[in-house]
Amino acid sequence: EAGVVQSPRYKIIEKKQPVAFWCNPISGHNTLYWYRQNLGQGPELLIRYENEEAVDDSQLPKDRFSAERLKGVDSTLKIQPAELGDSAVYLCASSPGLAGVNSYEQYFGPGTRLTVT
Amino acid sequence: QQQVKQSPQSLIVQKGGISIINCAYENTAFDYFPWYQQFPGKGPALLIAIRPDVSEKKEGRFTISFNKSAKQFSLHIMDSQPGDSATYFCAWSSYDKVIFGPGTSLSVIP
Repeated sequence: EAGVVQSPRYKIIEKKQPVAFWCNPISGHNTLYWYRQNLGQGPELLIRYENEEAVDDSQLPKDRFSAERLKGVDSTLKIQPAELGDSAVYLCASSPGLAGVNSYEQYFGPGTRLTVT
Repeated sequence: QQQVKQSPQSLIVQKGGISIINCAYENTAFDYFPWYQQFPGKGPALLIAIRPDVSEKKEGRFTISFNKSAKQFSLHIMDSQPGDSATYFCAWSSYDKVIFGPGTSLSVIP
């Protein structure tokens, strides 16, 4: 079974440029998460989807970040415009069930390392 | 917002030794306390999780101990191996979210 796929793996952009990250979750997983992981820290949730609905986007900086999950499968996270402080690893994770059932059972992709210069 | 405190920040253990990582939480409403392992260039992977009504859970060389009264839980890695060298995150899991600790970088030296 294929794991969570993310692309690109690395991205270097100049500040004020846009950037997009793509995630393909494990087949059949209803819940999808985007996290940001700063160097030396734990992942921090940006947004959680259940199927195609964003059910928790309270930590998503909505002035510059946007996300979508079309047809409840793949998801894209976008930053426009990027700032220096956005440099981090962006992780996508998926879990098999809806929230309320073992939410800790999340399967992470390898992440996209973003460097903003 | 729930926070999870984790210590030490980094740990060096000799091969065959015991690695111990400690965590503390704040809120009393909880579901599970999971631990994740992350290798460089990879995403975190679930290692083991414990329910609050259980004081200890063991899986192979990995053991979680839970102290409800002290609001603390810990991970013990017995017979530590160089392949265990990674960053370990404790976490607090409610019905809809996981809050990660800051992580402990473990290095197991031969």
